[in-house]
Amino acid sequence: SAVISQKPSRDICQRGTSLTIQCQVDSQVTMMFWYRQQPGQSLTLIATANQGSEATYESGFVIDKFPISRPNLTFSTLTVSNMSPEDSSIYLCSVGAGKGETQYFGPGTRLLVL
Amino acid sequence: GESVGLHLPTLSVQEGDNSIINCAYSNSASDYFIWYKQESGKGPQFIIDIRSNMDKRQGQRVTVLLNKTVKHLSLQIAATQPGDSAVYFCAENTGGFKTIFGAGTRLFVKA
Repeated sequence: SAVISQKPSRDICQRGTSLTIQCQVDSQVTMMFWYRQQPGQSLTLIATANQGSEATYESGFVIDKFPISRPNLTFSTLTVSNMSPEDSSIYLCSVGAGKGETQYFGPGTRLLVL
Repeated sequence: GESVGLHLPTLSVQEGDNSIINCAYSNSASDYFIWYKQESGKGPQFIIDIRSNMDKRQGQRVTVLLNKTVKHLSLQIAATQPGDSAVYFCAENTGGFKTIFGAGTRLFVKA
């Protein structure tokens, strides 16, 4: 399985500001995914990020709020824009081996918005 | 402290007993299922998977059972240890690129 790291591991931010989360993988991967895990909840897929194309967002998530970059096959960023306390969550990066294959997760970024 | 699992169903077992965690999935087209373990402060960790052409798969101390008739998945942990305390998620995949997570169960192991 791939080794996935995320930066920052946690942050406390003021409402109205934006935070960019980085995800680095130790090998080239086609598919990268961003999930949100709200306090005490399960994981919800935000978007799928492919290199060389725009991210595909799930229902309820929009590019203006969660812009994503995927400049190469080992790196992606997720920005949480114009944050509000409701954005306080764990944000997780994930990579997949392929269709119908296991996804592996990074350690997550714990965000608290005041 | 970590708030993952704070509002999730909880299963409490005695150390050394067997644990059974259940999951109902929703999509009859799902053909690949995964169990993940999430410890406090960490991302989900792969435990075991099963494809829809199987009804049972065994790993080290873990067994996954799949009942497609009633869309039910279970994870059995033998001889549960304190290190097994975590939140467990089932996840399903329809053969596409996306994995959808279930609600999760918090396992608490009493020493």
